[in-house]
Amino acid sequence: GAVVSQHPSWVICKSGTSVKIECRSLDFQATTMFWYRQFPKQSLMLMATSNEGSKATYEQGVEKDKFLINHASLTLSTLTVTSAHPEDSSFYICSFSGLHNPGELFFGEGSRLTVL
Amino acid sequence: AQSVSQHNHHVILSEAASLELGCNYSYGGTVNLFWYVQYPGQHLQLLLKYFSGDPLVKGIKGFEAEFIKSKFSFNLRKPSVQWSDTAEYFCAVNSNYGGSQGNLIFGKGTKLSVKP
Repeated sequence: GAVVSQHPSWVICKSGTSVKIECRSLDFQATTMFWYRQFPKQSLMLMATSNEGSKATYEQGVEKDKFLINHASLTLSTLTVTSAHPEDSSFYICSFSGLHNPGELFFGEGSRLTVL
Repeated sequence: AQSVSQHNHHVILSEAASLELGCNYSYGGTVNLFWYVQYPGQHLQLLLKYFSGDPLVKGIKGFEAEFIKSKFSFNLRKPSVQWSDTAEYFCAVNSNYGGSQGNLIFGKGTKLSVKP
């Protein structure tokens, strides 16, 4: 299957700082990428859909000014958590969909963010 | 709103035991159904999927799932588990009707521990 690389795999930062998470598709040009968030013992929640060259579409309740998504190329999407607070501590996972099967997603390894 | 319920948070089995993980969803229309697996330290990967046709779906590593429309269920089964099946299993659903391809609704996951 397609390979998605996500970096960093874990990050600790101080409250008020910003953190950038990168998601790269290594062998596929992804026009659409998806960002999920997972709290402990909770299911994955779709945060936003990232379209190459256009603004991301955010799910209800997700602050677009806090979670900045950039999808400047077909192989790279970034999620920046701005002015992070402890409640932003979570596991963030990127993914993109396959060419032929809607809903079949290929996932990155995930990034665990801890805000002190 | 769509939702996915996984009945067991943590299942512990001995090797060679049979496995069945429950998954129920709430959506009345046509759906695509998925089981994803996350092995320790690895990213989510697709185990099997159902789009249409035979409701008994065969996946990788000897897993299968049966879609029972009348019960809104898509239970995952394996006749004889191995220690290497230790992982977390996520059931997911998205509808065929409109919406984002990434709008997979995930269950909270079931952690499977197989004792050698």
